[in-house]
Amino acid sequence: GENVEQHPSTLSVQEGDSAVIKCTYSDSASNYFPWYKQELGKGPQLIIDIRSNVGEKKDQRIAVTLNKTAKHFSLHITETQPEDSAVYFCAAGAGIKAAGNKLTFGGGTRVLVKP
Amino acid sequence: KAGVTQTPRYLIKTRGQQVTLSCSPISGHRSVSWYQQTPGQGLQFLFEYFSETQRNKGNFPGRFSGRQFSNSRSEMNVSTLELGDSALYLCASSIHRDYNSPLHFGNGTRLTVT
Repeated sequence: GENVEQHPSTLSVQEGDSAVIKCTYSDSASNYFPWYKQELGKGPQLIIDIRSNVGEKKDQRIAVTLNKTAKHFSLHITETQPEDSAVYFCAAGAGIKAAGNKLTFGGGTRVLVKP
Repeated sequence: KAGVTQTPRYLIKTRGQQVTLSCSPISGHRSVSWYQQTPGQGLQFLFEYFSETQRNKGNFPGRFSGRQFSNSRSEMNVSTLELGDSALYLCASSIHRDYNSPLHFGNGTRLTVT
């Protein structure tokens, strides 16, 4: 089955700096890659997603890049703010109908933005 | 529009008991998925339901089961609870598309087994 590796497991940045989280996946058939942010006591919240027909997607301070050949994708957060502190998860969705909406998640990255 | 609602928020059960968790999806969402979240194993897929039918299942023992009702609400049941079942159980809903439809999660039910 699909396996998603996420690095780093923890990331500490100064407010205003950029943060980058990287993920690799094993199944070349995967074609959907969402990112989730989880704050304490809450469920994961979808912040951005990308599909395999796109190499990059941006939404304000957040951007995601995808390299299908290398089977890796990354989340970039620019101009970090204290409210960006949370745990971030990458995930991969298989590109087949039989898999439905099943996602395989990475292990998570705890991001701390220091004021 | 209201988000995904999970009840109860917290549960404490004893080994050997069974438990039922409830999930109400976002209005109009027809697919409901369940995930288990633990510090050691992370987020793991349990199962997905669409139109009252289980369309996919993860690698969990048969003690874990679920169902979906005609109004898309879903329940999951864990029988013969074990200490290792202590976890945050998350429900997510999505507007059905064939596959890879964005998931919207609830805040989960925290289950503690003693």
